[in-house]
Amino acid sequence: DVVLTQTPPTLSATIGQSVSISCRSSQSLLDSDGDTYLNWLLQRPGQSPQLLIYSVSNLESGVPNRFSGSGSETDFTLKISGVEAEDLGVYYCMQATHAPYTFGAGTKLELK
Amino acid sequence: EVKLEESGGGLVQPGMSVKLSCATSGFTFSDYWMEWVRQAPGKGLEWVAEIRNKANNYATYYGKSVKGRFTISRDDSKSIVYLQVNSIRSEDTGIYYCTTYYFDYWGQGVMVTVSS
Repeated sequence: DVVLTQTPPTLSATIGQSVSISCRSSQSLLDSDGDTYLNWLLQRPGQSPQLLIYSVSNLESGVPNRFSGSGSETDFTLKISGVEAEDLGVYYCMQATHAPYTFGAGTKLELK
Repeated sequence: EVKLEESGGGLVQPGMSVKLSCATSGFTFSDYWMEWVRQAPGKGLEWVAEIRNKANNYATYYGKSVKGRFTISRDDSKSIVYLQVNSIRSEDTGIYYCTTYYFDYWGQGVMVTVSS
């Protein structure tokens, strides 16, 4: 199975600070169809997960453009350019290139 | 408006069975592959199962920890996806979410607690 390693496990930030989360895959997530099915989700406390970024760098509709994704093959990054209070929660990367689909362990974003 | 609503959870004794349902609306259900994802208390997300659409022969796939015990199915006429859970174990305790293959729409989740 594909293992996704997220770092850091916890991130403390002030409002307005820019932060990045890394997600490294145990194998390439480039699919034979040319797409890379690496997504980023946010789970706020007590809520269902919410899709932020799909296929590495595509911003989901309605998601603020302070969120951006980058990377390729096995190395991916989620960046938040100017953290806002509503961004607090746990961020997960996940891959849907190889079955079984897998999630990273999560990165908890807290206020400093 | 897209809606997904899970139901059927509750307290279940070890070794017993439970069937979860996810009723959907607001999108062309029959076109979509559907997923179940679960979350143990205080833990991360775990992909459980997928069922593809008619064009893909309703193919099903499962996570290793549930293969052979869980069965995903769908009723396109009712826009509902199901998860049959057999031989349930304590480690199956958690919130079960249904979502689309694109992981863009999620239900509110349904809690399953396995305990005697």
